[in-house]
Amino acid sequence: DGGITQSPKYLFRKEGQNVTLSCEQNLNHDAMYWYRQDPGQGLRLIYYSQIVNDFQKGDIAEGYSVSREKKESFPLTVTSAQKNPTAFYLCASSIPPGQGGRGANRRTDTQYFGPGTRLTVL
Amino acid sequence: GDSVTQMEGPVTLSEEAFLTINCTYTATGYPSLFWYVQYPGEGLQLLLKATKADDKGSNKGFEATYRKETTSFHLEKGSVQVSDSAVYFCALSDRGGSEKLVFGKGTKLTVNP
Repeated sequence: DGGITQSPKYLFRKEGQNVTLSCEQNLNHDAMYWYRQDPGQGLRLIYYSQIVNDFQKGDIAEGYSVSREKKESFPLTVTSAQKNPTAFYLCASSIPPGQGGRGANRRTDTQYFGPGTRLTVL
Repeated sequence: GDSVTQMEGPVTLSEEAFLTINCTYTATGYPSLFWYVQYPGEGLQLLLKATKADDKGSNKGFEATYRKETTSFHLEKGSVQVSDSAVYFCALSDRGGSEKLVFGKGTKLTVNP
């Protein structure tokens, strides 16, 4: 089955430690995204990547880092510089516009989400 | 910048009641509009979408119409079920090249039997 996987589902970290969250997709999507969700809030974009070996900062990139060495993988590192890292982290992927083929499905700006990782700093 | 405003919850309904969750947006250009649903402890699932004015998205009995004149994309369902209990997010897609999604804060729906 095609989809997006995130691991682990729950993650605990001590203050001052870096931690890496995994995101893998087998949908053959070029674009991948990381969002952060806090209670009672919408999702906020951390980083995104539209193609391998390239990524851009989102709205709240401070204290985070990413890499995009493979099309299928977009790991997120939460560094010790992130002041309030406890949150639910969601990864998503999509086919960027212009790459969805012809006809009605050409606009494929729909993002598909993984199940999320809940990070708690102890 | 682009923004999405959706009605604050929580919303509590009885089974078979009519549901409306309001969503309005501010955007330059012509964004795509989405409704996502999140069940407890899970990621987001696409519920429906519309890509241009007057389009109606529909899925699982839910509907929403892209209204450019009122910049709205209200979610409706004629008869809710207990299984519809979840958090619903309205979102728009920035068509400026990055296709970033801008989300509302979410509306929690609880349906009682």
